[in-house]
Amino acid sequence: QVQLVQSGAEVKNPGASVKVSCQASGYSFTYYTMHWVRQAPGQRLEWMGWINANTKYSQKFQGRVTITRDTSANTAYMELSSLRSEDTAVYYCARDGGYSSSSPLDYWGQGTLVTVS
Amino acid sequence: QSVLTQPPSASGTPGQRVTMSCSGSSSNIGSNSVNWYQQLPGAAPKLLIHTNNKRPSGVPDRFSGSKSGTSASLAISGLQSEDEADYYCAAWDDSLINPDYVFGTGTKVTVL
Repeated sequence: QVQLVQSGAEVKNPGASVKVSCQASGYSFTYYTMHWVRQAPGQRLEWMGWINANTKYSQKFQGRVTITRDTSANTAYMELSSLRSEDTAVYYCARDGGYSSSSPLDYWGQGTLVTVS
Repeated sequence: QSVLTQPPSASGTPGQRVTMSCSGSSSNIGSNSVNWYQQLPGAAPKLLIHTNNKRPSGVPDRFSGSKSGTSASLAISGLQSEDEADYYCAAWDDSLINPDYVFGTGTKVTVL
């Protein structure tokens, strides 16, 4: 079965960087696009970017976010730099099912809490 | 970043039908398909409806989606206690040079 397992919670100082991992299993990792979405406490979901053979970022995070993947390890990574308190959020990876141009995110990781303080 | 607008809350008693709207613009809902996600308390979101009105395998047929113009709607018929959750619509937005995947503001459904 498809599983996305993310790395554990992080506490970072303002100005630092954080790198969150997302290990996939149960499907062909290279054939699917992986998205990253975050959710600040009590707030809506916010899309950050995606990766397949290419990468694409939300303009809001352009220049601060880097999404990479290691196909040999079936793992995607999201690195966010120049952290500020507003970046405190739960960060999710989510697989794009690929069966629609609407980008249905059909499997999600459990989330990683990043606290900037 | 464009945002899709949803009513903050909706409620109903068990068995009732509840609907919620998702209002966008010509650059998002007006020109792209809509997905809906359910987020139970403390959990990751779950895909509920994709491509406006299609249910993934395993999603009960109590959930249905529709789209008209620049708005979309999600309906829950035969409301159950386990439907108490936050619901988000989402769609690609083409208003910027780089399209963004935008989420709605979210609707909290309460089962009375």
